[in-house]
Amino acid sequence: NAGVTQTPKFQVLKTGQSMTLQCAQDMNHEYMSWYRQDPGMGLRLIHYSVGAGITDQGEVPNGYNVSRSTTEDFPLRLLSAAPSQTSVYFCASSRGGQVYEQYFGPGTRLTVT
Amino acid sequence: GQQLNQSPQSMFIQEGEDVSMNCTSSSIFNTWLWYKQDPGEGPVLLIALYKAGELTSNGRLTAQFGITRKDSFLNISASIPSDVGIYFCAGQLKKAAGNKLTFGGGTRVLVKP
Repeated sequence: NAGVTQTPKFQVLKTGQSMTLQCAQDMNHEYMSWYRQDPGMGLRLIHYSVGAGITDQGEVPNGYNVSRSTTEDFPLRLLSAAPSQTSVYFCASSRGGQVYEQYFGPGTRLTVT
Repeated sequence: GQQLNQSPQSMFIQEGEDVSMNCTSSSIFNTWLWYKQDPGEGPVLLIALYKAGELTSNGRLTAQFGITRKDSFLNISASIPSDVGIYFCAGQLKKAAGNKLTFGGGTRVLVKP
């Protein structure tokens, strides 16, 4: 049981490049979320999904796309990377109806030059 | 934007000391959570609080859900070196959809030199 896994762990992009951050969980959790973490800002919600085929925007969705074709996977796509997207990205999952038990992945540290 | 104010932003601990941190909000929350994050890892849930006035312990950690629903505090008793890390509070607004959490900016706990 691996929990929440994220790849890659580190990534450097040039401005304008696109890429996908991968997130997978093996706990059969309905809810999955993407957060970004910036110094002094805590974690801010980018997008979330309440189940396969359903996604919605969080607090800071601009510049990011998500899809949820399976229960296990919730990839985050950067369409055209910008330096403002330099951050650490965390994926989290939780069982349906239980907001408090959010399990976080180890994070992806992204630098956009 | 961010709605939770966490204080202090950082603190130094000496082994054996008790430490305290708190979180305040301008909004009412119906769930308060406390997480700890170690360097290079995702946040790990420490304590969850579901009712105003609730006091909950997890080993040397004690947290309380404020009676006004707008604040919470976390105490660590008899601190040890592995208590070093960043502690985040998080709250869920009433009727928030999609398990959305709002995070505080974190309290960085460091060891006194």
